[in-house]
Amino acid sequence: AQTVTQSQPEMSVQEAETVTLSCTYDTSENNYYLFWYKQPPSRQMILVIRQEAYKQQNATENRFSVNFQKAAKSFSLKISDSQLGDTAMYFCAFMKHNNDMRFGAGTRLTVKP
Amino acid sequence: DTGVSQDPRHKITKRGQNVTFRCDPISEHNRLYWYRQTLGQGPEFLTYFQNEAQLEKSRLLSDRFSAERPKGSFSTLEIQRTEQGDSAMYLCASSFGTGVEQYFGPGTRLTVT
Repeated sequence: AQTVTQSQPEMSVQEAETVTLSCTYDTSENNYYLFWYKQPPSRQMILVIRQEAYKQQNATENRFSVNFQKAAKSFSLKISDSQLGDTAMYFCAFMKHNNDMRFGAGTRLTVKP
Repeated sequence: DTGVSQDPRHKITKRGQNVTFRCDPISEHNRLYWYRQTLGQGPEFLTYFQNEAQLEKSRLLSDRFSAERPKGSFSTLEIQRTEQGDSAMYLCASSFGTGVEQYFGPGTRLTVT
């Protein structure tokens, strides 16, 4: 079974600073996908960034980037130039074969002005 | 609004009653997923459809739960004889073709009293 662990229940960062959210996962698969989803308070979940396991290059989406370490089964999210709108729950997720997605317990990020 | 929609947004029911939720995916999205999210946790996969076929069901989906997608468009999730442990947010997501990105709806929050 695949498990996803987010070891930081809560984090905070000052506006304009950089923060890194951690995620580790456990799988015996070689091909899979990893995701970071954002769930703002009382709003629906949206995709922040995704990474295909077969790609060595780390994914980047504007201020969001990942550090994907396949051998270590680690997938951290770096948010640069944090903005107040980044305040949300962040979920790391794992998926294989394009079916069920397994989520971590989430990290509650607060961006302070 | 062309996103995933769910109805109702909130449902309060008494233990033992049956409830039904509806999900309308993004138009032309052939895959549809149901998840359950309890407070402080990440979403847990329940089941998914490709068109009208239910291809995978989690062990979390007990005999009291049933999901349908009769015409490959909207889907319903029914819970019979609700229990207090069923209280959660029920999320629906959809995806297109072989794409891995899932688009989430706002969820239906169920409270069983």
